Amino acid sequence: KAGVTQTPRYLIKTRGQQVTLSCSPISGHRSVSWYQQTPGQGLQFLFEYFSETQRNKGNFPGRFSGRQFSNSRSEMNVSTLELGDSALYLCASAQASQETQYFGPGTRLLVL
Amino acid sequence: AQTVTQSQPEMSVQEAETVTLSCTYDTSENNYYLFWYKQPPSRQMILVIRQEAYKQQNATENRFSVNFQKAAKSFSLKISDSQLGDTAMYFCAFTEYGNKLVFGAGTILRVKS
Repeated sequence: KAGVTQTPRYLIKTRGQQVTLSCSPISGHRSVSWYQQTPGQGLQFLFEYFSETQRNKGNFPGRFSGRQFSNSRSEMNVSTLELGDSALYLCASAQASQETQYFGPGTRLLVL
Repeated sequence: AQTVTQSQPEMSVQEAETVTLSCTYDTSENNYYLFWYKQPPSRQMILVIRQEAYKQQNATENRFSVNFQKAAKSFSLKISDSQLGDTAMYFCAFTEYGNKLVFGAGTILRVKS
């Protein structure tokens, strides 16, 4: 089976812009979770989608949003980018609840 | 509050030797799942091992094994016969509900030849 894929792999944006990141889960996986990784805050949970419904949300401002499509692919959107949003954004997929999550290669976002 | 503590920011080990990475966590739940992930310089997060809290038997995957002490809320990872390819950042994580993983700060492991 193909692994989790994320696009794009690298992005450079300027403050105030918005960005959309995409994640395609492993075939058959219905859960997609997003994480932000920064040197200062480490790995933090953003949100999880399961069967097109947001099931859990981390402690991030409303500028961070996501959605999941019927084919389980997920997108994450960040509006009004700030310098502090520069991070590695990781997507992970799982078959069901409390199953092992498998991670994609990440999208590295740089906000200038 | 859900927290994971990895008290060793960095560790090093000689090739072929054994090393143990420490992890403690805090949860009020009785049923949860624990994981060790490794992140090499490529930044790809790779599952090392998984442990269900309801299982008393410690999980083992080839050279990797855990020492799960539920009462002490401790979950250490032992790597036997260390290899250069084991050099990576190692994260301890757990989940109580759904698929929200709570991660520790990580331990950088360097395997020396």
